[in-house]
Amino acid sequence: NAGVTQTPKFRVLKTGQSMTLLCAQDMNHEYMYWYRQDPGMGLRLIHYSVGEGTTAKGEVPDGYNVSRLKKQNFLLGLESAAPSQTSVYFCASSTSIVAAFFGQGTRLTVV
Amino acid sequence: AQSVTQLDSHVSVSEGTPVLLRCNYSSSYSPSLFWYVQHPNKGLQLLLKYTSAATLVKGINGFEAEFKKSETSFHLTKPSAHMSDAAEYFCVVRDPRDDKIIFGKGTRLHILP
Repeated sequence: NAGVTQTPKFRVLKTGQSMTLLCAQDMNHEYMYWYRQDPGMGLRLIHYSVGEGTTAKGEVPDGYNVSRLKKQNFLLGLESAAPSQTSVYFCASSTSIVAAFFGQGTRLTVV
Repeated sequence: AQSVTQLDSHVSVSEGTPVLLRCNYSSSYSPSLFWYVQHPNKGLQLLLKYTSAATLVKGINGFEAEFKKSETSFHLTKPSAHMSDAAEYFCVVRDPRDDKIIFGKGTRLHILP
C-alpha cells in the first residue's frame, strides 16, 4: 500500500510564481488535510476536506487554495508564492474513526 | 474551538529513566486525542490514540498516555527512555464538531547517555 503520497518532495520557487502540491491517498478516506510545519510552531492546519467536492479553512488559510475534485486527491495551490510560505508541507488523510495518516512531506523554498 | 497546549518545548532525560511529556487540551466536547512522533527529517508516526474507550492508552515502543477529563490532560509517559526515543512529540486533538485535527507546538525529547 502506498498510503499517502505527496508530489513533489522538494521545490524551489521564485517570489510571485505559482505551483500546485498534489496529495494522493489510496485508503478510500473521507477526510484530507494540508498542514505546514515551521520550527517551534508545530503543524498548522491550512485547509481540509471532509469529502469529495468539499473544502474548509483551517488555522492559516491565507495565500493558499485547495480543491478536492476526486476523493483520492487533495490539491494545495499557491497562486503567488511569498518567502513567508517557505515551509515543509504535510498532507494527511483519515476517516471518522481512525487517526490521520501522513505523507512524507514537501519541502518548499521561496526565494 | 479545540486546542492543545504542550507545556514543555524541550525535555531532557537520561537513558533508562522515565519520560513524561505533558499535554493539556481545551474542549467543550469529548475529543479524540493522539500522540505523534517525528524523528529528524522524517515524517509523522502515530504513537497512540484515545477515542473515549479506556482512559489508559498503550501505544507503540512502550509509550502510554492517560486521559484525565477532570484535569483536561493527556500526558505521555514511558518507564525507561532509550536513545532511539530522541525525537519531537506532538499532542493532537480532533474536534468532533468539524473534524479539524489540531496540533500542539511539539516537545523535543533529548536523551542523555
